[in-house]
Amino acid sequence: AQSVTQLDSQVPVFEEAPVELRCNYSSSVSVYLFWYVQYPNQGLQLLLKYLSGSTLVKGINGFEAEFNKSQTSFHLRKPSVHISDTAEYFCAVILRGDSSYKLIFGSGTRLLVRP
Amino acid sequence: GAGVSQSPSNKVTEKGKDVELRCDPISGHTALYWYRQSLGQGLEFLIYFQGNSAPDKSGLPSDRFSAERTGGSVSTLTIQRTQQEDSAVYLCASSVRGTSTDTQYFGPGTRLTVL
Repeated sequence: AQSVTQLDSQVPVFEEAPVELRCNYSSSVSVYLFWYVQYPNQGLQLLLKYLSGSTLVKGINGFEAEFNKSQTSFHLRKPSVHISDTAEYFCAVILRGDSSYKLIFGSGTRLLVRP
Repeated sequence: GAGVSQSPSNKVTEKGKDVELRCDPISGHTALYWYRQSLGQGLEFLIYFQGNSAPDKSGLPSDRFSAERTGGSVSTLTIQRTQQEDSAVYLCASSVRGTSTDTQYFGPGTRLTVL
Protein backbone atom coordinates (compact mmCIF):
# COMPACT_ATOMS: atom_id res chain seq x y z
CA ALA A 1 0.00 0.00 0.00
CA GLN A 2 1.14 3.49 -0.72
CA SER A 3 1.33 6.23 1.89
CA VAL A 4 2.68 9.69 2.48
CA THR A 5 4.09 10.61 5.87
CA GLN A 6 4.55 14.09 7.20
CA LEU A 7 6.18 13.55 10.55
CA ASP A 8 5.70 17.06 11.90
CA SER A 9 2.14 18.16 12.56
CA GLN A 10 3.26 21.66 13.45
CA VAL A 11 6.47 23.59 12.88
CA PRO A 12 6.94 26.91 14.69
CA VAL A 13 9.65 29.18 13.34
CA PHE A 14 10.68 32.80 13.67
CA GLU A 15 10.35 35.18 10.78
CA GLU A 16 13.36 35.26 8.44
CA ALA A 17 14.60 31.89 9.73
CA PRO A 18 15.00 28.90 7.40
CA VAL A 19 12.51 26.07 7.51
CA GLU A 20 12.28 22.47 6.32
CA LEU A 21 9.03 20.52 6.20
CA ARG A 22 9.58 16.81 5.93
CA CYS A 23 7.80 14.36 3.67
CA ASN A 24 8.44 10.67 3.14
CA TYR A 25 6.50 8.30 0.94
CA SER A 26 6.21 4.59 0.50
CA SER A 27 5.08 3.02 -2.72
CA SER A 28 5.73 -0.11 -4.72
CA VAL A 29 5.60 1.91 -7.92
CA SER A 30 7.17 5.15 -9.03
CA VAL A 31 5.41 8.32 -8.06
CA TYR A 32 5.02 11.93 -8.99
CA LEU A 33 5.44 14.27 -6.02
CA PHE A 34 3.68 17.47 -5.07
CA TRP A 35 3.55 20.09 -2.35
CA TYR A 36 0.36 22.07 -1.83
CA VAL A 37 -0.32 24.97 0.55
CA GLN A 38 -3.64 25.78 2.18
CA TYR A 39 -4.25 29.19 3.68
CA PRO A 40 -7.06 29.55 6.23
CA ASN A 41 -10.51 29.00 4.73
CA GLN A 42 -9.11 28.55 1.26
CA GLY A 43 -8.57 25.68 -1.11
CA LEU A 44 -5.25 24.09 -1.92
CA GLN A 45 -2.67 25.83 -4.09
CA LEU A 46 0.19 24.04 -5.82
CA LEU A 47 3.63 25.10 -4.58
CA LEU A 48 5.75 22.79 -6.72
CA LYS A 49 5.90 19.34 -8.25
CA TYR A 50 8.48 16.76 -9.22
CA LEU A 51 7.77 14.75 -12.34
CA SER A 52 11.23 13.83 -13.64
CA GLY A 53 14.64 15.31 -14.34
CA SER A 54 16.49 17.48 -11.86
CA THR A 55 15.82 16.37 -8.32
CA LEU A 56 15.83 19.95 -7.03
CA VAL A 57 12.54 21.63 -7.81
CA LYS A 58 11.82 25.31 -7.35
CA GLY A 59 8.32 26.55 -6.75
CA ILE A 60 6.39 29.66 -5.96
CA ASN A 61 6.95 32.00 -3.03
CA GLY A 62 10.63 31.04 -2.73
CA PHE A 63 10.02 27.40 -1.81
CA GLU A 64 12.03 24.50 -3.14
CA ALA A 65 12.06 20.76 -2.61
CA GLU A 66 14.49 17.96 -3.28
CA PHE A 67 13.54 14.48 -4.40
CA ASN A 68 15.68 11.80 -2.81
CA LYS A 69 14.87 8.42 -4.30
CA SER A 70 17.06 6.37 -1.96
CA GLN A 71 15.45 7.92 1.10
CA THR A 72 12.00 8.17 -0.53
CA SER A 73 11.79 11.75 0.64
CA PHE A 74 10.63 15.04 -0.80
CA HIS A 75 11.35 17.67 1.84
CA LEU A 76 10.22 21.26 1.36
CA ARG A 77 12.55 24.12 2.23
CA LYS A 78 12.62 27.88 2.34
CA PRO A 79 15.74 29.85 3.31
CA SER A 80 13.87 32.73 4.94
CA VAL A 81 10.20 32.61 5.90
CA HIS A 82 7.70 35.45 6.19
CA ILE A 83 4.69 35.87 8.41
CA SER A 84 2.55 35.35 5.32
CA ASP A 85 3.90 31.80 4.95
CA THR A 86 1.82 30.75 7.94
CA ALA A 87 -0.42 28.04 6.50
CA GLU A 88 -0.90 24.29 6.27
CA TYR A 89 1.35 22.42 3.88
CA PHE A 90 0.49 19.10 2.29
CA CYS A 91 2.77 16.67 0.56
CA ALA A 92 1.09 14.41 -1.99
CA VAL A 93 1.86 11.75 -4.58
CA ILE A 94 0.29 10.42 -7.73
CA LEU A 95 1.11 6.83 -8.53
CA ARG A 96 2.49 6.22 -12.00
CA GLY A 97 0.02 4.01 -13.75
CA ASP A 98 -2.98 5.19 -11.76
CA SER A 99 -5.58 5.84 -14.42
CA SER A 100 -7.43 8.37 -12.29
CA TYR A 101 -4.31 10.38 -11.35
CA LYS A 102 -5.71 11.00 -7.90
CA LEU A 103 -3.60 12.76 -5.29
CA ILE A 104 -2.71 10.81 -2.17
CA PHE A 105 -2.04 13.28 0.62
CA GLY A 106 -0.03 13.32 3.79
CA SER A 107 -1.63 14.51 7.01
CA GLY A 108 -0.28 18.03 6.64
CA THR A 109 2.17 20.24 8.52
CA ARG A 110 1.06 23.52 10.01
CA LEU A 111 3.78 26.15 9.61
CA LEU A 112 3.51 28.88 12.20
CA VAL A 113 5.76 31.86 11.58
CA ARG A 114 6.30 34.13 14.56
CA PRO A 115 7.59 37.72 14.48
CA GLY B 1 -14.74 32.64 -13.65
CA ALA B 2 -11.02 32.32 -13.37
CA GLY B 3 -10.94 29.52 -10.83
CA VAL B 4 -12.88 26.56 -9.53
CA SER B 5 -16.00 27.66 -7.69
CA GLN B 6 -18.05 25.69 -5.21
CA SER B 7 -21.42 26.28 -3.62
CA PRO B 8 -22.58 26.61 -0.99
CA SER B 9 -19.53 27.66 0.99
CA ASN B 10 -21.14 26.39 4.17
CA LYS B 11 -23.96 23.92 4.69
CA VAL B 12 -25.50 22.92 7.99
CA THR B 13 -27.96 20.05 7.90
CA GLU B 14 -29.67 17.64 10.21
CA LYS B 15 -28.78 14.01 10.42
CA GLY B 16 -30.77 11.99 7.91
CA LYS B 17 -31.28 14.79 5.41
CA ASP B 18 -29.92 14.75 1.85
CA VAL B 19 -27.47 17.42 0.65
CA GLU B 20 -26.16 18.50 -2.74
CA LEU B 21 -22.82 20.19 -3.22
CA ARG B 22 -21.96 21.92 -6.48
CA CYS B 23 -18.68 22.41 -8.30
CA ASP B 24 -17.99 24.63 -11.32
CA PRO B 25 -14.60 23.70 -12.79
CA ILE B 26 -12.32 25.99 -14.74
CA SER B 27 -13.68 26.44 -18.23
CA GLY B 28 -12.12 23.99 -20.67
CA HIS B 29 -10.85 21.59 -18.02
CA THR B 30 -11.86 18.05 -18.89
CA ALA B 31 -11.00 16.39 -15.58
CA LEU B 32 -12.79 16.95 -12.29
CA TYR B 33 -12.06 15.54 -8.84
CA TRP B 34 -13.83 15.52 -5.50
CA TYR B 35 -11.86 15.21 -2.27
CA ARG B 36 -12.90 15.31 1.36
CA GLN B 37 -10.98 16.94 4.17
CA SER B 38 -11.87 15.87 7.67
CA LEU B 39 -10.14 15.97 11.05
CA GLY B 40 -10.06 12.24 11.42
CA GLN B 41 -9.20 11.16 7.87
CA GLY B 42 -7.25 14.08 6.45
CA LEU B 43 -7.52 14.72 2.72
CA GLU B 44 -8.95 11.80 0.80
CA PHE B 45 -9.99 11.20 -2.79
CA LEU B 46 -13.66 10.57 -3.50
CA ILE B 47 -14.33 10.48 -7.24
CA TYR B 48 -12.78 11.40 -10.62
CA PHE B 49 -14.43 12.40 -13.89
CA GLN B 50 -12.62 12.58 -17.21
CA GLY B 51 -14.51 13.62 -20.31
CA ASN B 52 -17.09 11.05 -21.29
CA SER B 53 -15.30 8.15 -19.61
CA ALA B 54 -16.85 6.21 -16.76
CA PRO B 55 -15.95 7.94 -13.49
CA ASP B 56 -13.58 6.41 -10.97
CA LYS B 57 -15.79 6.06 -7.89
CA SER B 58 -13.30 4.04 -5.87
CA GLY B 59 -12.99 6.66 -3.12
CA LEU B 60 -16.69 7.04 -2.29
CA PRO B 61 -17.04 5.88 1.33
CA SER B 62 -20.54 4.41 1.06
CA ASP B 63 -23.48 4.05 -1.30
CA ARG B 64 -25.01 7.14 0.29
CA PHE B 65 -22.52 9.16 -1.74
CA SER B 66 -22.99 9.78 -5.45
CA ALA B 67 -21.82 12.32 -7.97
CA GLU B 68 -22.60 13.32 -11.49
CA ARG B 69 -21.15 15.64 -14.04
CA THR B 70 -23.52 17.10 -16.56
CA GLY B 71 -22.39 18.22 -19.97
CA GLY B 72 -18.78 17.67 -19.07
CA SER B 73 -18.77 20.75 -16.87
CA VAL B 74 -20.65 21.29 -13.60
CA SER B 75 -20.59 18.50 -11.05
CA THR B 76 -22.88 17.74 -8.13
CA LEU B 77 -21.92 15.59 -5.16
CA THR B 78 -24.97 14.19 -3.37
CA ILE B 79 -24.95 12.72 0.11
CA GLN B 80 -28.12 10.91 1.10
CA ARG B 81 -29.25 10.34 4.69
CA THR B 82 -26.36 12.35 6.08
CA GLN B 83 -24.55 11.13 9.17
CA GLN B 84 -22.45 13.08 11.64
CA GLU B 85 -19.29 11.46 10.31
CA ASP B 86 -20.01 13.10 6.95
CA SER B 87 -19.10 16.46 8.48
CA ALA B 88 -16.06 17.69 6.57
CA VAL B 89 -14.87 20.14 3.97
CA TYR B 90 -15.59 18.88 0.48
CA LEU B 91 -13.07 20.10 -2.08
CA CYS B 92 -13.43 20.06 -5.82
CA ALA B 93 -10.51 20.26 -8.25
CA SER B 94 -10.15 20.38 -11.99
CA SER B 95 -7.31 19.91 -14.43
CA VAL B 96 -6.85 20.44 -18.15
CA ARG B 97 -6.58 16.85 -19.34
CA GLY B 98 -6.63 14.75 -16.21
CA THR B 99 -3.13 13.33 -16.55
CA SER B 100 -0.53 12.77 -13.85
CA THR B 101 1.50 15.77 -14.96
CA ASP B 102 -1.41 18.22 -14.97
CA THR B 103 -1.85 20.58 -12.06
CA GLN B 104 -5.07 20.09 -10.15
CA TYR B 105 -6.65 23.43 -9.29
CA PHE B 106 -8.76 23.42 -6.16
CA GLY B 107 -11.86 25.33 -5.23
CA PRO B 108 -12.39 26.89 -1.79
CA GLY B 109 -14.49 23.98 -0.61
CA THR B 110 -17.89 23.46 0.97
CA ARG B 111 -17.90 23.04 4.74
CA LEU B 112 -20.61 20.53 5.65
CA THR B 113 -21.80 20.25 9.22
CA VAL B 114 -24.23 17.48 10.12
CA LEU B 115 -26.00 18.06 13.42
